[in-house]
Amino acid sequence: NAGVTQTPKFRVLKTGQSMTLLCAQDMNHEYMYWYRQDPGMGLRLIHYSVGEGTTAKGEVPDGYNVSRLKKQNFLLGLESAAPSQTSVYFCASSYAAKNIQYFGAGTRLSVL
Amino acid sequence: GNSVTQMEGPVTLSEEAFLTINCTYTATGYPSLFWYVQYPGEGLQLLLKATKADDKGSNKGFEATYRKETTSFHLEKGSVQVSDSAVYFCALSFSSGSARQLTFGSGTQLTVLP
Repeated sequence: NAGVTQTPKFRVLKTGQSMTLLCAQDMNHEYMYWYRQDPGMGLRLIHYSVGEGTTAKGEVPDGYNVSRLKKQNFLLGLESAAPSQTSVYFCASSYAAKNIQYFGAGTRLSVL
Repeated sequence: GNSVTQMEGPVTLSEEAFLTINCTYTATGYPSLFWYVQYPGEGLQLLLKATKADDKGSNKGFEATYRKETTSFHLEKGSVQVSDSAVYFCALSFSSGSARQLTFGSGTQLTVLP
């Protein structure tokens, strides 16, 4: 009953460093999403994927890249981290024909 | 574009008090509406949903009714418990299109005191 698993849970980066956040789901969901959560702003969609090998931009895609090489995994990359990317990142997944999204526990990222 | 507006928090209540968290939306068409809850240190969980006008979603003593005429989906609970302390998010989504993108409100922090 793992559901949606995100790694790592915490990370501190220096400006300009790169990193990859991993999201894995074991529910055979077609759709996967990456959100960022900032104080007073709710969650905003960064990128999403409607299936293996496909990705699309969400509301705030700049500075991020994603890949969906396997159906169960959705990677979020920061090529050159900036302090503005300090946030909590959530991954979610859903079935293609339903609206319910299942969320991971989040990754807290600080960029100094 | 679509948007969701929630009452600002934080909200602090005593145990067994009545809870209302207001949520209104702006959207073209008729979206599905959701309440998600985020307990401390955890991800978001679906609390309840409604897919058409006048539908009432309910779960764990919480209720919300989809009001098309007022474009609202207010969350209510008759008697809150300390364990209800969490952040509550109202959200909308459309069932058509290439993805089931959720548009979230800014969240309302609820603290229930014993």
